[in-house]
Amino acid sequence: GEDVEQSLFLSVREGDSSVINCTYTDSSSTYLYWYKQEPGAGLQLLTYIFSNMDMKQDQRLTVLLNKKDKHLSLRIADTQTGDSAIYFCAEGGRNTPLVFGKGTRLSVIA
Amino acid sequence: DAGVIQSPRHEVTEMGQEVTLRCKPISGHDYLFWYRQTMMRGLELLIYFNNNVPIDDSGMPEDRFSAKMPNASFSTLKIQPSEPRDSAVYFCASSFAASGWTQYFGPGTRLLVL
Repeated sequence: GEDVEQSLFLSVREGDSSVINCTYTDSSSTYLYWYKQEPGAGLQLLTYIFSNMDMKQDQRLTVLLNKKDKHLSLRIADTQTGDSAIYFCAEGGRNTPLVFGKGTRLSVIA
Repeated sequence: DAGVIQSPRHEVTEMGQEVTLRCKPISGHDYLFWYRQTMMRGLELLIYFNNNVPIDDSGMPEDRFSAKMPNASFSTLKIQPSEPRDSAVYFCASSFAASGWTQYFGPGTRLLVL
């Protein structure tokens, strides 16, 4: 079945860039997502990319997709303490619900 | 729109009691999902509905769990009887298939079974 893998933890200094990586197995995925979960809250959609795109930029966020290697990354520029959260990668096909990774806990050190 | 609404936000109960969690999806959305999140297992999909019909309940852990969607604006997840290992955060999410599979999550219900 489909599987989405992420590293569990990432620690960065405030002002540095953060890069969160994700690999997935379903080559038919149509959409790939990044969700953010702050403490005590639900998952919030951060950004998504269509599988026919290589890159998407949205302010401080850059999503890179390597479809050949089934690798997705999220880069956060100028990371702030408010970016501390759990980041979930998810992939979805045309007729299937999303498959989520276990999440990467980002800690930002002031 | 108010987003996905879940109630209660917190629930503390004793083992053996019945627990009912409630969800109101975003108006117009045709898919509704129930998830469970724990430290050990991460985010697990329990069941999802399309147009109020259950499509896949293979993630429901056992017969003690049941979910219903009597209409497009309301769903319940019931645990009867509850056990301490059911302690988790339960999320409801909804999506509109015509605009892709983007899911919008509620704030969750934090359940503690003593």
